[in-house]
Amino acid sequence: GEDVEQSLFLSVREGDSSVINCTYTDSSSTYLYWYKQEPGAGLQLLTYIFSNMDMKQDQRLTVLLNKKDKHLSLRIADTQTGDSAIYFCAENWGNNRLAFGKGNQVVVIP
Amino acid sequence: GAVVSQHPSWVICKSGTSVKIECRSLDFQATTMFWYRQFPKQSLMLMATSNEGSKATYEQGVEKDKFLINHASLTLSTLTVTSAHPEDSSFYICSASYGPQDGYTFGSGTRLTVV
Repeated sequence: GEDVEQSLFLSVREGDSSVINCTYTDSSSTYLYWYKQEPGAGLQLLTYIFSNMDMKQDQRLTVLLNKKDKHLSLRIADTQTGDSAIYFCAENWGNNRLAFGKGNQVVVIP
Repeated sequence: GAVVSQHPSWVICKSGTSVKIECRSLDFQATTMFWYRQFPKQSLMLMATSNEGSKATYEQGVEKDKFLINHASLTLSTLTVTSAHPEDSSFYICSASYGPQDGYTFGSGTRLTVV
């Protein structure tokens, strides 16, 4: 499968901004996604970005895409305790399959 | 929005028995569903692509005789873990796509424990 890299752990104070980074390998990916996983649960789609976009903002979420460097980031503004979770980036490739990063655990400190 | 229902949420079974996990798309038809496996504190590993009315496509290293997939209708795919062993204990998650711009909707996952 494709290789998607993510850092592992982020601690942030409530009200601050969080930034999670991801690099991917398949330059032909048309969509890149950010998912959130809470303990023992499935994945919740947070947002996605089409590959011809540089940025997408959706309420507290901002996605930046640097296609040249194959770098994707997710910024969460005004981080809240409910944002504590593991965040996965993913790219679609070959027959609509998804390749996931290793995940980034975000812990929000009240 | 698109909803995928997965059952059971958790199951404990004895070694040597088989376990079936169901994945249903509730409000849309899914010609393709995907099955993933997730080990603790790790990412999701794609096991197979389930195709309605045809054989599943398995990823390299996944035993198709061990993990039987059936996609008999446009809203239901099942994964059967046959002759389960403790090393099969894991979190299994299914997903389906309503359309690539809508992302992939995931089931809530099944925690399988083989004792």
